[in-house]
Amino acid sequence: EAQVTQNPRYLITVTGKKLTVTCSQNMNHEYMSWYRQDPGLGLRQIYYSMNVEVTDKGDVPEGYKVSRKEKRNFPLILESPSPNQTSLYFCASSLGGASYGYTFGSGTRLTVV
Amino acid sequence: DQQVKQNSPSLSVQEGRISILNCDYTNSMFDYFLWYKKYPAEGPTFLISISSIKDKNEDGRFTVFLNKSAKHLSLHIVPSQPGDSAVYFCAASRGGGYQKVTFGIGTKLQVIP
Repeated sequence: EAQVTQNPRYLITVTGKKLTVTCSQNMNHEYMSWYRQDPGLGLRQIYYSMNVEVTDKGDVPEGYKVSRKEKRNFPLILESPSPNQTSLYFCASSLGGASYGYTFGSGTRLTVV
Repeated sequence: DQQVKQNSPSLSVQEGRISILNCDYTNSMFDYFLWYKKYPAEGPTFLISISSIKDKNEDGRFTVFLNKSAKHLSLHIVPSQPGDSAVYFCAASRGGGYQKVTFGIGTKLQVIP
């Protein structure tokens, strides 16, 4: 089944403790992206990648890092999480990029206390 | 500055009738517009898109209309079904390899049986 898999689905962590949210797609898509969803703010793009080793900032990249060492994986790294990073995170992938539509994962709900 | 605006947070429609979801944008550089549907506890699902060179795109029960001069687009669902009850996000991007995507805050559609 074609899908984007994120792990974990739920995570509660403490301020300052480094964490990684993994994302993997099995569709051989070149484009991948991370979003966060917050009440009243909709979905905001954090980072995107156009291919292996090619990444760029979205609208809200502060406090996040990404890497794209393999085509299928695009992990999101929070080096020092803070409470304002409590959010619902989505990873997505696309064959043709933003104008072609993205396939989204099921989401990771992160709480930073 | 909200570049993609969905001014109606919610909409209720009777089953079988037309649902019209609206979206306004401010950035005249946007070239592609997309609609996503999101059920609770799931990631968004791509529905339909339109490029700025068209004014209408149809896919089954879903039609998107674009009015470039008014910077306005709308999604029509005919006939509406209870399974269409979800949050609908409007999104826009510039195309041409530009991979930033801007989402609206969403409109919650309820289709009443």
